[in-house]
Amino acid sequence: EVQLLDSGGGLVQPGGSLRLSCAAFGFTFSNYAMSWVRQAPGKGLEWVSVISGSAGSTYYADSVKGRFTISRDNSKNTLYLQMNSLRVEDTAVYYCAKGVNRVVVAATLSWFDPWGQGTLVTVSS
Amino acid sequence: QSVLTQPPSASGTPGQRVTISCSGSSSNIGTNFVYWYQQLPGTAPKLLIYRNNQRPSGVPDRFAGSKSGTSASLAISGLRSEDEADYYCATSDDSLNRPVFGGGTKLTVL
Repeated sequence: EVQLLDSGGGLVQPGGSLRLSCAAFGFTFSNYAMSWVRQAPGKGLEWVSVISGSAGSTYYADSVKGRFTISRDNSKNTLYLQMNSLRVEDTAVYYCAKGVNRVVVAATLSWFDPWGQGTLVTVSS
Repeated sequence: QSVLTQPPSASGTPGQRVTISCSGSSSNIGTNFVYWYQQLPGTAPKLLIYRNNQRPSGVPDRFAGSKSGTSASLAISGLRSEDEADYYCATSDDSLNRPVFGGGTKLTVL
């Protein structure tokens, strides 16, 4: 069974840092691009970042560019999101999600299946 | 506000058919596949429809997606209480070079 387990969320002060992890099970991790999608409390979904299967390509939403870094360790079947210079508006549940191709392709960029259970990041003083 | 426009709410009684719309533009829906996600209360989103009108295995055929021009729709027939959830449309935007989501539609089963 394909499964994703998000972890690493917590309470952090504005300007602080946090690293999220997503452990993958049940599929050949390196064969698939992976994304992070977030959801602020009571709000809709917002795509954050994507990384190709080989980690050779990464893309970010403008709202996090220069502050967040997506990475992966294919030997550990784990996806990461390093979040620096956190802002109050970064408060959200962060979900990792599996893509359907090894490379990042526009036609399938919005195809997320499955999703992790989510991890809550709260940025507050 | 979201790049894709969805009605904030929809409702129906058990057994009814409801439709949720998703409006975009030529740079997103007009050019790319549309995906639909169902988010049950307190849970992670789940893929409901891919490539405009395809259902993943396990998704009942009560759920049907369609696309025409720069708009897409999700139809749910034979409405059931367990369909009460938030529904999101998504696609890629060629101008923004990123995935975009609708604002979500909260479906209430009366």
